[in-house]
Amino acid sequence: DAKTTQPPSMDCAEGRAANLPCNHSTISGNEYVYWYRQIHSQGPQYIIHGLKNNETNEMASLIITEDRKSSTLILPHATLRDTAVYYCIVRTDNYGQNFVFGPGTRLSVLP
Amino acid sequence: DAGVIQSPRHEVTEMGQEVTLRCKPISGHNSLFWYRQTMMRGLELLIYFNNNVPIDDSGMPEDRFSAKMPNASFSTLKIQPSEPRDSAVYFCASKATGTGELFFGEGSRLTVL
Repeated sequence: DAKTTQPPSMDCAEGRAANLPCNHSTISGNEYVYWYRQIHSQGPQYIIHGLKNNETNEMASLIITEDRKSSTLILPHATLRDTAVYYCIVRTDNYGQNFVFGPGTRLSVLP
Repeated sequence: DAGVIQSPRHEVTEMGQEVTLRCKPISGHNSLFWYRQTMMRGLELLIYFNNNVPIDDSGMPEDRFSAKMPNASFSTLKIQPSEPRDSAVYFCASKATGTGELFFGEGSRLTVL
């Protein structure tokens, strides 16, 4: 799986958009970009994923650059409950693939 | 669906004792993952199974750790003998083949005194 690089921490004001970057310059053509988050001591929770196109769901938007070497997770109106560690993972969905989490970005949403 | 179910939620034991953590994956999911999380090392993948078969156990710290999946609805992670450095939260997660959406249990918090 391609390696990802994320900033260790970020702050965001409540009500503003939170933009979390992820670099994955060695991504290959059949690898997806996945985003998960972990709130305090809970298990990580799936947010969104994409291959080439931008994606949006009820939780967030995912913007993938045209060359696919980086992506941004956008939380359009961050709330205090969005304070969490956000993980960017690049992997295929092939049979037998592992699922490795890096250190992620600790997002603090400030009142 | 009840989600991924782990037991026990909390375990406090003494060094040298055997510890068994249990996991029931979501019905229909055929991939199961065991993770360990500590402040120092983050979320580490220990082992994962596809269709009850261990695929990669390279993350298992040492021979004191073992994991089994006797059927599609049950898995165990055993530590024998336990040591204080094994204190961590252990997560089990499952997913369906061909998807990347992992579903995590609530974790088992282990404290070894």
